[in-house]
Amino acid sequence: QVQLQESGPGLVKPSQTLSLTCTVSGDSISSGHYYWIWIRQPAGKGLEWIGRIYFGGSTNYNPSLKSRVTISVDRSKNQFSLNLRSVTPADTAVYYCARDDFWNKRSLDVWGKGTTVTVSS
Amino acid sequence: HSALTQPASVSGSPGQSITISCTGTNSDVGGYNYVSWYQRHPGEAPKVIIYEVSSRPSGISNRFSGSKSGNTASLTISGLQAEDEADYYCGSYTSDSTLVFGGGTKLTVL
Repeated sequence: QVQLQESGPGLVKPSQTLSLTCTVSGDSISSGHYYWIWIRQPAGKGLEWIGRIYFGGSTNYNPSLKSRVTISVDRSKNQFSLNLRSVTPADTAVYYCARDDFWNKRSLDVWGKGTTVTVSS
Repeated sequence: HSALTQPASVSGSPGQSITISCTGTNSDVGGYNYVSWYQRHPGEAPKVIIYEVSSRPSGISNRFSGSKSGNTASLTISGLQAEDEADYYCGSYTSDSTLVFGGGTKLTVL
């Protein structure tokens, strides 16, 4: 059974960098069968796709966040990570990592449970 | 890409059918058959219930069905049950290799 687990600080100060890690179990990021993605949901709002990474390191980002986002992969640890720079209270949200079955069923078939990140001084 | 448009809420009685719409543009919903639907119960992770407009993953009830016409996709739930009460989100791949979601629809089973 594939599981994804987000981890990282729940509180980040404005202007600092939000850093989260997603640990994958039950599957290998290096299999090359999926994209690995980050999504967030501010309170009372819809889901927002942040970006994705492939096992080789190629990435795509949401244009609205591209200047502040970096997604990276650590194949040795079977993890991928999100860095969001220069955060503001508007970045307060529940952050999810997920597996994107892009080449088969074109859908997000496994999700983490999500982690709440608050941006506040 | 702007967020896809969904109604904020829908409701129905047990046994009835409801439909949730998801409207986008030619660059996302209308341009590809890559619309998916996700169900999320409070405190849980979202779960895919429809992919590629109308396909159901293994284990998903056939009471859930999807369709698309032009730039609007739809999710229909028939034989409404109490356990269907949840938030529903549509998602679509886009022409610039991104993914865009709807704002979500809260389904209330009366």
